[in-house]
Amino acid sequence: DAGVIQSPRHEVTEMGQEVTLRCKPISGHNSLFWYRQTMMRGLELLIYFNNNVPIDDSGMPEDRFSAKMPNASFSTLKIQPSEPRDSAVYFCASAAGSRDTQYFGPGTRLTVL
Amino acid sequence: QKEVEQDPGPLSVPEGAIVSLNCTYSNSAFQYFMWYRQYSRKGPELLMYTYSSGNKEDGRFTAQVDKSSKYISLFIRDSQPSDSATYLCATKTSYDKVIFGPGTSLSVIP
Repeated sequence: DAGVIQSPRHEVTEMGQEVTLRCKPISGHNSLFWYRQTMMRGLELLIYFNNNVPIDDSGMPEDRFSAKMPNASFSTLKIQPSEPRDSAVYFCASAAGSRDTQYFGPGTRLTVL
Repeated sequence: QKEVEQDPGPLSVPEGAIVSLNCTYSNSAFQYFMWYRQYSRKGPELLMYTYSSGNKEDGRFTAQVDKSSKYISLFIRDSQPSDSATYLCATKTSYDKVIFGPGTSLSVIP
């Protein structure tokens, strides 16, 4: 299995631009998680889906962030408009179920200038 | 108070040393305890997974949980340069999301 796939691996953009991060979970996994990692705050859960349905989005920092999972093999995290404080590494993880071991992707390193 | 606390390090040890990594947590409802290893510019990967108090051993790694003191430890025996990474402890209840510690950076010097 290829594992969790994320794209792009690196993204540099200017403040105010829209950013879309993409994730393909491991085939057969029913749960998908989006995390953000910074030096200051560590690894934070933003949102997670179970069977393509958002279950807990309490970690989404504000309305500028949105996430979708249109099908079992694809999810997006969108930031619009982006701000410099959004600069971080964004990880996607998937699991067989919401209580099962999470497998992380390689992350997207986002820099907002 | 953060739910899971961890000394960020960095921790530097010579090859072959025994390494002790520690975490404390605040919520007595936590029942599942995990250690993740994260190499530079990679995603975290699950290293150890334990339920409730006690010890669990896997090769050179031993995870220890003391629920009475809300203390989690990871011991690495005969440390190798390939163990150089950031180690994140994590915990959860049976139904809630995983809470990660901030991670401890470890360097094993040849």
